[in-house]
Amino acid sequence: RKEVEQDPGPFNVPEGATVAFNCTYSNSASQSFFWYRQDCRKEPKLLMSVYSSGNEDGRFTAQLNRASQYISLLIRDSKLSDSATYLCAVITGGGNKLTFGTGTQLKVEL
Amino acid sequence: DTEVTQTPKHLVMGMTNKKSLKCEQHMGHRAMYWYKQKAKKPPELMFVYSYEKLSINESVPSRFSPECPNSSLLNLHLHALQPEDSALYLCASSHRGNNQPQHFGDGTRLSIL
Repeated sequence: RKEVEQDPGPFNVPEGATVAFNCTYSNSASQSFFWYRQDCRKEPKLLMSVYSSGNEDGRFTAQLNRASQYISLLIRDSKLSDSATYLCAVITGGGNKLTFGTGTQLKVEL
Repeated sequence: DTEVTQTPKHLVMGMTNKKSLKCEQHMGHRAMYWYKQKAKKPPELMFVYSYEKLSINESVPSRFSPECPNSSLLNLHLHALQPEDSALYLCASSHRGNNQPQHFGDGTRLSIL
């Protein structure tokens, strides 16, 4: 089983839709969780950290479920500019080793 | 604009060449990282430096040699690379300590002939 798993998609959604991605992690000792956005042939950009109580940044909401070992990202009112690959990332143990999921591709269409 | 700067943006080299990738950050971060990313795959960690000391080497072949001259700079020296080493090489930095998000440079796209 992979350490961090995501549905690769693509998720094709109309503009204005709400879309949600899940990401599961296998190590219950994982400590820190993040969502990154990566555009084609660009670097990953930090979208948001994921906190135990859940957190929101504008149209984006992140949740952590430690019991079921998954994190989620909800995007409301999707924009064309949201089209990208969304990578979840997990830090497990010391040393700041960040392990990425395979990424979920989102395509927002007119 | 990214606050982690990588040079060069693109590099084409032969298998016998020696070249270096450079990374610079001025955010006061004391942890710096090298990642390798192949097409349609996630970034994979290669090395971690913490307070200018190598703390993690993910069993990377010795033809990749990292160096951290000071707290702002990170180099990756390349020698005798193979065609399968062609990839996007990403540098990242973060504050030291757990729960710290990493910020990425825009990468060097490396092609080995």
